[in-house]
Amino acid sequence: EPEVTQTPSHQVTQMGQEVILRCVPISNHLYFYWYRQILGQKVEFLVSFYNNEISEKSEIFDDQFSVERPDGSNFTLKIRSTKLEDSAMYFCASSEIGATNEKLFFGSGTQLSVL
Amino acid sequence: AQKITQTQPGMFVQEKEAVTLDCTYDTSDPSYGLFWYKQPSSGEMIFLIYQGSYDQQNATEGRYSLNFQKARKSANLVISASQLGDSAMYFCAMREGLDDKIIFGKGTRLHILP
Repeated sequence: EPEVTQTPSHQVTQMGQEVILRCVPISNHLYFYWYRQILGQKVEFLVSFYNNEISEKSEIFDDQFSVERPDGSNFTLKIRSTKLEDSAMYFCASSEIGATNEKLFFGSGTQLSVL
Repeated sequence: AQKITQTQPGMFVQEKEAVTLDCTYDTSDPSYGLFWYKQPSSGEMIFLIYQGSYDQQNATEGRYSLNFQKARKSANLVISASQLGDSAMYFCAMREGLDDKIIFGKGTRLHILP
């Protein structure tokens, strides 16, 4: 089965630094997502992206966050100035057409630790 | 209000027994989809089963079935003949109408005992 690929699997950064988390969605998928999961808590929606623009975002996704699809394959999440509370597992996901009945394919996640 | 409620933070079940994981949801949209995902200790999110709001029959996928009770707004996951490898976190989730996002519940941690 095709996979969503995320790199790196672990990222450690100092508070205030910028980080970029990378994802390669499944090639024929059109909808891309970022979710995060703080340790032991539920999976929270951050942002969805379609047709080269943000289609939906949550309250968590403030000005410190941005997403980009710099080329035909990568999808990135940038955190401009990391805070301690940004420490979490970040999941990238994709779906083919974003239909109601369509599952999301998740990557294996990037564990971000902000020190 | 919580969109997805999973009231069982943790469950212990004997191997080979059936297990039901509870999920209730809240939406006013007549069109929605319900999902269950499994998250083993390795961390990845694995899709298990889907139920659409207009589906007449309960969804089944191998040992997984979804007990969909629309009037009660519940979508419980049933795992038959549980196995040690079923030990994981299980998340119920919902997509409403034309929304892009899927909203997750807090999850239930299932422990299968040998």
